[in-house]
Amino acid sequence: TQLLEQSPQFLSIQEGENLTVYCNSSSVFSSLQWYRQEPGEGPVLLVTVVTGGEVKKLKRLTFQFGDARKDSSLHITAAQPGDTGLYLCAGAGNNDMRFGAGTRLTVKP
Amino acid sequence: DAGVIQSPRHEVTEMGQEVTLRCKPISGHDYLFWYRQTMMRGLELLIYFNNNVPIDDSGMPEDRFSAKMPNASFSTLKIQPSEPRDSAVYFCASSPSANNEQFFGPGTRLTVL
Repeated sequence: TQLLEQSPQFLSIQEGENLTVYCNSSSVFSSLQWYRQEPGEGPVLLVTVVTGGEVKKLKRLTFQFGDARKDSSLHITAAQPGDTGLYLCAGAGNNDMRFGAGTRLTVKP
Repeated sequence: DAGVIQSPRHEVTEMGQEVTLRCKPISGHDYLFWYRQTMMRGLELLIYFNNNVPIDDSGMPEDRFSAKMPNASFSTLKIQPSEPRDSAVYFCASSPSANNEQFFGPGTRLTVL
């Protein structure tokens, strides 16, 4: 059983479309991180959100942490083929961090 | 900074053989994590160390798996004997703390025939 549930598991869209992926849990986290993993590489941190309700923007990517610090979303505007990859969320507790299974995004030119 | 270094990058072995995966964490990072990634199960935490001491090995699948960290700059994950279901990509990551950003190595793709 995944502590963090990510949805959808797979997403295939055309270049220029917008999308949102979700990360949900019944647990409260002290912080939540989003990573992107490209084929043949390890995950790389995109952003960390700490405060309930926090919104962070990274160019075309918008990250939101839920008010109760149990869930998060990632919205991509005008997706590009370079956004293709596996998006992982990770929730931090007091002494550990656990990853969701990820959303595998494909952006077609 | 070379980042986290893992070797080998690819390993193909036959069922029953011993497999040893190696990891060099980023200098100064006190935490080292071993993960296994498959399409079916995603990224699974196997074990993590703090200052070379194993803290949580509850993710280690069974006794065939063992991990050591003899010093701050080196860790191994050993599978003996290996089985086809162990085929996966194994990642090592290091971090300054247990719940901070983790820096991942490039992974070792293991295939057990």
